[in-house]
Amino acid sequence: KAGVTQTPRYLIKTRGQQVTLSCSPISGHRSVSWYQQTPGQGLQFLFEYFSETQRNKGNFPGRFSGRQFSNSRSEMNVSTLELGDSALYLCASSSEGQGHYGYTFGSGTRLTVV
Amino acid sequence: QKEVEQNSGPLSVPEGAIASLNCTYSDRVSQSFFWYRQYSGKSPELIMSIYSNGDKEDGRFTAQLNKASQYVSLLIRDSQPSDSATYLCAVTTSGTYKYIFGTGTRLKVLA
Repeated sequence: KAGVTQTPRYLIKTRGQQVTLSCSPISGHRSVSWYQQTPGQGLQFLFEYFSETQRNKGNFPGRFSGRQFSNSRSEMNVSTLELGDSALYLCASSSEGQGHYGYTFGSGTRLTVV
Repeated sequence: QKEVEQNSGPLSVPEGAIASLNCTYSDRVSQSFFWYRQYSGKSPELIMSIYSNGDKEDGRFTAQLNKASQYVSLLIRDSQPSDSATYLCAVTTSGTYKYIFGTGTRLKVLA
């Protein structure tokens, strides 16, 4: 069974640019959540998608957006990048909508904004 | 008050000892509790889940839940250097789709 696949693994972008990250969940998982992880803040919840609908959203500015496709694959977009957006972005999938049975995380995308 | 609190550590234990990791949460209606292990440079990996009061054992790992006192703990018996990692506690509340992580406790097992 394939795991959660995130692409790309590494990205270097310039301030002001935008970026799109992709996540393919485990087959059959309909819930995809996105997290930002930084050394100082730990895992910060961005949003959760379930069956193409955003069900929950964290406290991030509107520059952070996402979507989910009918095949459960999800994308996350960050516009007008700032230096503080440099972080590890993790995607997590679960079989039950609330992550009740726990998440399986992807390997993450390491974003560096210069 | 943070919703899920953990001591950041590092918690250092000698090889073969019991490592005890603690987590407290603020929402009394929290229902599901998880422990994740994260090695440096890697993504978190689910190691234990617990849903009801008491102990749950899985190999060298035991999760303990006390809803009245609002804490959950993870015991690692016979700690090995390979257990050295950051351990993240996570809590969910049914019906709200909220899944809250603590900031993690760094465990160092000394050979």
